[in-house]
Amino acid sequence: AQSVTQPDIHITVSEGASLELRCNYSYGATPYLFWYVQSPGQGLQLLLKYFSGDTLVQGIKGFEAEFKRSQSSFNLRKPSVHWSDAAEYFCAVGTNYNNNDMRFGAGTRLTVKP
Amino acid sequence: SAVISQKPSRDICQRGTSLTIQCQVDSQVTMMFWYRQQPGQSLTLIATANQGSEATYESGFVIDKFPISRPNLTFSTLTVSNMSPEDSSIYLCSAASRGSDYGYTFGSGTRLTVV
Repeated sequence: AQSVTQPDIHITVSEGASLELRCNYSYGATPYLFWYVQSPGQGLQLLLKYFSGDTLVQGIKGFEAEFKRSQSSFNLRKPSVHWSDAAEYFCAVGTNYNNNDMRFGAGTRLTVKP
Repeated sequence: SAVISQKPSRDICQRGTSLTIQCQVDSQVTMMFWYRQQPGQSLTLIATANQGSEATYESGFVIDKFPISRPNLTFSTLTVSNMSPEDSSIYLCSAASRGSDYGYTFGSGTRLTVV
């Protein structure tokens, strides 16, 4: 079965600094990959997703992610972090188009310092 | 993408009682899911809510504890039955879209505290 690993439980960055959140997946074929953000007390909001094609995916709120098959990774990046980006970030992997087998990583909590 | 309204947003319940959580989608969706997110944890799938048939439960979750209804393509409910403090979690519903809009949309969650 597929799985997702987010190696960093908690990351702290200064406002204006660049950000990279790591995500590694395990699956034998090409996966469907997602990044979600969860603000405190809220549900999950989809930032971006990758199915096929261009391996650099642009999302909302200035985020992007790059799919690297050779490294089984789908890292999330943002060039300049804003205080409002402080939240929990979840990477997820799905394997079929019917969408009933999505698995989530443990999440990375982002703290933004003034 | 679909928009999901979930209620209640939070509740504090006595042990031994039951709570029903409602999830309304603004468009017809084929698949709906219920997740549990325990404090400081990731999401765990409880079940897939199937329209017109019984829900499909994941290992560790049973219908008697988490009965689910899916009367049509836009609505589902999850009941947490005979609650104990261990049921204190955030419960999230989600809807899946197919085609080019493939992905999950989530409700805002229900924060449940059992005392």
